[in-house]
Amino acid sequence: QVQLQESGPGLVKPSQTLSLTCTVSGGSISSGSYYWSWIRQPAGKGLEWIGRLYTSGGTNYNPSLKSRVTISADTSENQFSLKLSSVTAADTAVYYCAREGGYWNPLDYWGQGTLVTVSS
Amino acid sequence: DIVMTQSPDSLAVSLGERATINCKSSQSVLYSSNNENYLAWYQQKPGQPPKLLIYWASTRESGVPDRFSGSGSGTDFTLTISSLQAEDVAVYYCQQYYNTPRTFGGGTKVEIK
Repeated sequence: QVQLQESGPGLVKPSQTLSLTCTVSGGSISSGSYYWSWIRQPAGKGLEWIGRLYTSGGTNYNPSLKSRVTISADTSENQFSLKLSSVTAADTAVYYCAREGGYWNPLDYWGQGTLVTVSS
Repeated sequence: DIVMTQSPDSLAVSLGERATINCKSSQSVLYSSNNENYLAWYQQKPGQPPKLLIYWASTRESGVPDRFSGSGSGTDFTLTISSLQAEDVAVYYCQQYYNTPRTFGGGTKVEIK
């Protein structure tokens, strides 16, 4: 059974860079045709897809965030990471990591989510 | 981007009654070469991550009760809970995985009447 767990600072100052890591257990992020994704959800609001990574090469980002987002992988640690630069209060949200079962597949495994607050 | 629009925003249904949620995409998510609709439904309970319920518009994820069903094609889709149970109280989201960026509907909150 694949499990994902987000980790990182819960508080980030405005204009700084938000950095989160997702640790995957129960399977290798390098195997299969899986895509490893980040999604966020402001309190009381809907879901926003941030982007995804394919460890054999390639990323896709939401154009609305593309200039500020980097998703990368550390296959030796079986982790993938999210960096979001120049954050503002509008970036305050619960951030989820998740797995897509393939290039054209839904999100089948999710982490529990981690709340990141942007505030001075 | 494909815009996903759900209706209603919320609904209250009596226990044992049917709940119906609609989802409309701004362009077709039907891939003609395989005749599959790239549309999923998720259930999110308070304090929990979303859980995949249905994919390919009508295929139930393993372990999902058969009172949940999905239908529709092209741009119009429906999630039906045939007999609402107390544990079904949640927010439900549709999502297209036809292209990137992946996009979600705004969510429908289902409550007990």
